[in-house]
Amino acid sequence: KAGVTQTPRYLIKTRGQQVTLSCSPISGHRSVSWYQQTPGQGLQFLFEYFSETQRNKGNFPGRFSGRQFSNSRSEMNVSTLELGDSALYLCASSFLTSGTYEQYFGPGTRLTVT
Amino acid sequence: QKEVEQNSGPLSVPEGAIASLNCTYSDRGSQSFFWYRQYSGKSPELIMSIYSNGDKEDGRFTAQLNKASQYVSLLIRDSQPSDSATYLCAVKGFGKGAQKLVFGQGTRLTINP
Repeated sequence: KAGVTQTPRYLIKTRGQQVTLSCSPISGHRSVSWYQQTPGQGLQFLFEYFSETQRNKGNFPGRFSGRQFSNSRSEMNVSTLELGDSALYLCASSFLTSGTYEQYFGPGTRLTVT
Repeated sequence: QKEVEQNSGPLSVPEGAIASLNCTYSDRGSQSFFWYRQYSGKSPELIMSIYSNGDKEDGRFTAQLNKASQYVSLLIRDSQPSDSATYLCAVKGFGKGAQKLVFGQGTRLTINP
């Protein structure tokens, strides 16, 4: 079974621009979560989508948004980019069976804001 | 107090020895606990999940959970140089709005040949 895929893998943007990142979950997985990873803050939760609905949201400004499509693919968008948004953005998918919550990560998108 | 705490290391262990990684968490209602391994420049890889008190073994890896002490650990037996990585502890919160994984800062493990 194919793993989680993310595109693009690398991205360079300038301050003030916006960016859209894409994630395709493992086949059959309906939950997609997004995380930001930086050396200083570690892995921080952005949001989770399940069946096209946002189930949870982390403590990030409104410039960070996301959505999920009917085929479970998800996108996240960051508007008005700031230098501090430079990070590895990770998507993780989960089957969400009763009592379990294993999440499997994609390779990530490395975003650099200049 | 951080929600999930790990010793950042680095933890240095000789090849063939047992590596012991520890994690404490603050949400007493947490029910699900995970260990991820992350090699430099790569994404986290799930290596263990544990939901009940006690030990869970998978090959050279053993996860231990003590909910009363709010403590979860990972033991790696017969450590190999390929085990050198950062190990992330993750805890799933409990209750409405907390159904998400909270990660510790990670422990950097180095296995010395």
